[in-house]
Amino acid sequence: GAGVSQSPRYKVAKRGQDVALRCDPISGHVSLFWYQQALGQGPEFLTYFQNEAQLDKSGLPSDRFFAERPEGSVSTLKIQRTQQEDSAVYLCASSTGDLRQYFGPGTRLTVT
Amino acid sequence: EDQVTQSPEALRLQEGESSSLNCSYTVSGLRGLFWYRQDPGKGPEFLFTLYSAGEEKEKERLKATLTKKESFLHITAPKPEDSATYLCAVREGFQKLVFGTGTRLLVSP
Repeated sequence: GAGVSQSPRYKVAKRGQDVALRCDPISGHVSLFWYQQALGQGPEFLTYFQNEAQLDKSGLPSDRFFAERPEGSVSTLKIQRTQQEDSAVYLCASSTGDLRQYFGPGTRLTVT
Repeated sequence: EDQVTQSPEALRLQEGESSSLNCSYTVSGLRGLFWYRQDPGKGPEFLFTLYSAGEEKEKERLKATLTKKESFLHITAPKPEDSATYLCAVREGFQKLVFGTGTRLLVSP
């Protein structure tokens, strides 16, 4: 079946612009996660949804970062007033009862 | 706070030269240790989950083992297609994963 998909795959934004990153999880997966991966580092947790409820947003680095999953399927990660330090790969993952997290290919964000 | 440390940072092997990658962890109560493989430009791909000391899992040339403080990923007779970054993670709290920085493996023909 289809895996986790993310769009766009690449995004270049000028400093100060707002961006929106989309994640389509595996159909039927209740849990959805966002991670940020800097170059040469492991993914770092940003936020977690169970269905439409955002149960953990402790990893969001500032109030410029906002995530939503209004109907319990597709999720959007929004970054307002982007800064250079926001440049990274943003990974989305979904999971079901076996707790394995299945990752999408990521969106590479470059802030110039 | 849970911590994960992986070593070495990078490893170069000749095809057929077996070796092991290390993952040391500090957790208040292990709820699962995960190994992932990540190829350049792609998201992490799930390999194994281990839950208790003494547990072992195998898949093709890979075997993962777990003790109370560390996990090893053993690679037997590696091939060039095994070249990738291998990530270790522990589950913290509800479901989120805490990752190490990974080991970049390069297998030369």
